[in-house]
Amino acid sequence: NAGVTQTPKFRVLKTGQSMTLLCAQDMNHEYMYWYRQDPGMGLRLIHYSVGEGTTAKGEVPDGYNVSRLKKQNFLLGLESAAPSQTSVYFCASTFTWDRGSNQPQHFGDGTRLSIL
Amino acid sequence: GENVEQHPSTLSVQEGDSAVIKCTYSDSASNYFPWYKQELGKRPQLIIDIRSNVGEKKDQRIAVTLNKTAKHFSLHITETQPEDSAVYFCAAGPLFSGGYNKLIFGAGTRLAVHP
Repeated sequence: NAGVTQTPKFRVLKTGQSMTLLCAQDMNHEYMYWYRQDPGMGLRLIHYSVGEGTTAKGEVPDGYNVSRLKKQNFLLGLESAAPSQTSVYFCASTFTWDRGSNQPQHFGDGTRLSIL
Repeated sequence: GENVEQHPSTLSVQEGDSAVIKCTYSDSASNYFPWYKQELGKRPQLIIDIRSNVGEKKDQRIAVTLNKTAKHFSLHITETQPEDSAVYFCAAGPLFSGGYNKLIFGAGTRLAVHP
């Protein structure tokens, strides 16, 4: 049981390039999330998904797109990378929401992305 | 919008002392309050959480208290050890009608425990 796995771990891009970050979980979780972590700002939600085939915007969605074609995978895409997107990106997943009861989120190891 | 404020941003203690980190949230609909520990270069890991129907929860040297009236919650670490050195994040989780589990994170507290 690997939990939440993110690939790649590091990447350097030039401004304007595109790339996709992959998140995979083997815990059969319904909910998946993408966060970015910047110094002094905690974790900010980019996009999330409540199930296969569904996605929605979080706090800071501009410049990113996501897809959830399979329940276990959640992809984050940067169509035209900008220096402001330099950050550490974390994926997380959680159990199916039980009405009236939030559940802990389980995080991957992160992807450190630098845009030059 | 929803906001979680966390204080202090840095905390330095001597080994064996206690450490307290405080968070204040703005959304009164929040009913779930987890704390995460993040070591340098690692993933955030849940260390303890509390729900709004409970005022205090303990797990060995770690405890969390919640004051819903004042909308603040705190992490208490007793008998600190060097391996407690890390960044700690609080979060508050409101429930939405859409049903998704949303967390708003504080900015983090960098705790340093000196031998």
